[in-house]
Amino acid sequence: KNQVEQSPQSLIILEGKNCTLQCNYTVSPFSNLRWYKQDTGRGPVSLTIMTFSENTKSNGRYTATLDADTKQSSLHITASQLSDSASYICVVDPLQGGYNKLIFGAGTRLAVHP
Amino acid sequence: SAVISQKPSRDICQRGTSLTIQCQVDSQVTMMFWYRQQPGQSLTLIATANQGSEATYESGFVIDKFPISRPNLTFSTLTVSNMSPEDSSIYLCSVVRTSGGETQYFGPGTRLLVL
Repeated sequence: KNQVEQSPQSLIILEGKNCTLQCNYTVSPFSNLRWYKQDTGRGPVSLTIMTFSENTKSNGRYTATLDADTKQSSLHITASQLSDSASYICVVDPLQGGYNKLIFGAGTRLAVHP
Repeated sequence: SAVISQKPSRDICQRGTSLTIQCQVDSQVTMMFWYRQQPGQSLTLIATANQGSEATYESGFVIDKFPISRPNLTFSTLTVSNMSPEDSSIYLCSVVRTSGGETQYFGPGTRLLVL
């Protein structure tokens, strides 16, 4: 069964520190892997989209990496800010799957404390 | 980008009643979807809203329970019928402008509590 698993489930860090969130998947083959940020009470917002052939993609202080061999992706947040407090969701798009086949991870809940 | 609004933003309902959630997009989009997000869980696709025809439902979701309308390219409604406490969840509208590789945008969600 195709799965997307994220770790840790939750994380607390101090403002200004860096952190890395993990996403392991068993989906194969796949078209692309996406990271979303979901603020409390809001819908998810796209951070990065990487095709299977890309190794890294940045969006400001957010950098996503992808290792297709080990089926792992990570989202690295640099110099965290209070506004980074949110859930981060990893989504895998199976090859030729279509939007109704997207596989969503359960998310990592990040809390940035002053 | 796409600006998506949902109404209501939240509601508390009695079991056995129905609630209709509206999704309005600021411009025409190709695809519209409805998702459910239960507390602490990942998003689950309910159905694809098709303009001018019946929605396409995912396994475990049926039209009688979740009727969907999409009269044009910017608007859709999802009705949660004959509600039970198990329907308490966040319901999210989502859109894509063109098929294949396009960014998927999500609405702010409707937080539903069924007593």
